[in-house]
Amino acid sequence: DAKTTQPPSMDCAEGRAANLPCNHSTISGNEYVYWYRQIHSQGPQYIIHGLKNNETNEMASLIITEDRKSSTLILPHATLRDTAVYYCIVRAYNAGNMLTFGGGTRLMVKP
Amino acid sequence: GAGVSQTPSNKVTEKGKYVELRCDPISGHTALYWYRQSLGQGPEFLIYFQGTGAADDSGLPNDRFFAVRPEGSVSTLKIQRTERGDSAVYLCASSVNLQETQYFGPGTRLLVL
Repeated sequence: DAKTTQPPSMDCAEGRAANLPCNHSTISGNEYVYWYRQIHSQGPQYIIHGLKNNETNEMASLIITEDRKSSTLILPHATLRDTAVYYCIVRAYNAGNMLTFGGGTRLMVKP
Repeated sequence: GAGVSQTPSNKVTEKGKYVELRCDPISGHTALYWYRQSLGQGPEFLIYFQGTGAADDSGLPNDRFFAVRPEGSVSTLKIQRTERGDSAVYLCASSVNLQETQYFGPGTRLLVL
């Protein structure tokens, strides 16, 4: 699976949009971009995934660049409960590929 | 609906002892994964199952670690002769099949004294 690069930490003001970047310049055509987050002492929580089109669900939006070499996870109105480590993962959509977690971005939402 | 559950939530044992960690996947999920997370690190893959068979156990660190899923639902991760370096959070995830999204349980925090 392709490697991802994320900033180690970010701050965001409560109520503002949090934009978390991810670089995956070696992504292959059959690889999806997945985002998970991990709130302290909990298991990773699935947020969203996409291949090449932008995606939106009740939690977040995922913007993938046209060349697919980078993406941005957007939390439109961050709350204190969104404070967590956010992992961007590239995963091929074929049988059995495990998730390879990097260091993630530690997002701190501040009042 | 019910998510992935793991028991116990915490386990303290002594060096050299044997431990079993249990994972109950989401009902109907055929694929089951085990990961291990050391303090300050992201989760690392250990093994996954499709049905009853271990499809890939390449992440198991050594032969002290073993996992089973005899009926294709509940899985047990077994660690023999535990060492202090085995202390970590052991995470289980399940998915509808091997292609679909994995959903994680809360983990079992293992401490080997």
